[in-house]
Amino acid sequence: GESVGLHLPTLSVQEGDNSIINCAYSNSASDYFIWYKQESGKGPQFIIDIRSNMDKRQGQRVTVLLNKTVKHLSLQIAATQPGDSAVYFCAENTWAAGNKLTFGGGTRVLVKP
Amino acid sequence: EAGVTQSPTHLIKTRGQQVTLRCSPISGHTSVYWYQQALGLGLQFLLWYDEGEERNRGNFPPRFSGRQFPNYSSELNVNALELEDSALYLCASSLPRHRALIEKLFFGSGTQLSVL
Repeated sequence: GESVGLHLPTLSVQEGDNSIINCAYSNSASDYFIWYKQESGKGPQFIIDIRSNMDKRQGQRVTVLLNKTVKHLSLQIAATQPGDSAVYFCAENTWAAGNKLTFGGGTRVLVKP
Repeated sequence: EAGVTQSPTHLIKTRGQQVTLRCSPISGHTSVYWYQQALGLGLQFLLWYDEGEERNRGNFPPRFSGRQFPNYSSELNVNALELEDSALYLCASSLPRHRALIEKLFFGSGTQLSVL
């Protein structure tokens, strides 16, 4: 199967601080990117998405930045809360590559009180 | 409104057995996707069904198969189970997508399969 990453990197953040989660994607032709949050025992939950013709998109307490030059995607969480503790996945999609979401390996975020 | 539902939530099988996992998409969604998530790993794409047809398949052996029913629910079948098939199997659904770029997927909570 297709997979990116075997071990989950972990980001420890103090409650109230901002978090930045990074993702390097593989296909320079990708048209669409999305961030998911997965809490223990649950399926991934949509956070925010961005199309390739945008550089930045903001949601509630979250911002996604896209740098197509270096194929880099980031998720910024403002004022991180204990409920933000989870595994975060980025995913990309390209019509030409079969029109399926390809997920990155994930980053675990631990929020310290 | 009900989300994506999967059954069973947990399953224990032995090597060589066969298993069937079930998924009901969100009402109005006709596309169903299956992903495998092994412990500590990311999501690996298995299958995509849209309007009853298989639209795409991941790099998995033929013993992984599935189907989609007229009501858009779906089954994932795994034959001749191997130890490494132990994983969380996630189903997701979306609006019709075989003519448009797949975007937001809505996931169920998954079926945890343990192969002993």
